[in-house]
Amino acid sequence: NAGVTQTPKFQVLKTGQSMTLQCAQDMNHEYMSWYRQDPGMGLRLIHYSVGAGITDQGEVPNGYNVSRSTTEDFPLRLLSAAPSQTSVYFCASSPLQGALLYSEAFFGQGTRLTVV
Amino acid sequence: SQQGEEDPQALSIQEGENATMNCSYKTSINNLQWYRQNSGRGLVHLILIRSNEREKHSGRLRVTLDTSKKSSSLLITASRAADTASYFCATDALGGSNYKLTFGKGTLLTVNP
Repeated sequence: NAGVTQTPKFQVLKTGQSMTLQCAQDMNHEYMSWYRQDPGMGLRLIHYSVGAGITDQGEVPNGYNVSRSTTEDFPLRLLSAAPSQTSVYFCASSPLQGALLYSEAFFGQGTRLTVV
Repeated sequence: SQQGEEDPQALSIQEGENATMNCSYKTSINNLQWYRQNSGRGLVHLILIRSNEREKHSGRLRVTLDTSKKSSSLLITASRAADTASYFCATDALGGSNYKLTFGKGTLLTVNP
């Protein structure tokens, strides 16, 4: 079991470039989410999904797109990178119990993104 | 806005001492979780306590929850240098979206050998 796998681990982008951060999980979890972590800010929720074909916005969604075509994958797209998007990005997955998040979240190891 | 806020922001203790971290949150919750993050790594789940529970233990960890005060505490007993990490509380908001797990800003714990 690999758990939650994020790629790449490090990335440097120029302002205006686009890229996709990949996230895959092999635990058949319905729920997947993306967070960004900035110094002194903790983790902030960007987008989340409760199943294939279903996504919703979190706390800081602007500048990011997501899609969920399969249970396993939940890519995060930056359409036009800005220096304010320099951050460490974490993907997480959880099983759902009914309509609630009653279980722990499993995190990937993160992607450190720098936008210059 | 962030639901949970940890206190203190930083804590430095000697090996063998106990460490207590607190979390306050704003709205009613279904459950509250504690996570640990070693420097540069992903978060690791420590313990989950449901809104109808008051105390939970896991090894050297003890978590309490006071829903009337909207607060929780994490106690690490007999701390070790390996416990050095950031600790975060996370909550989901009852009545709002049940799928938004929100984190506090964390407590940085340093355990000195």
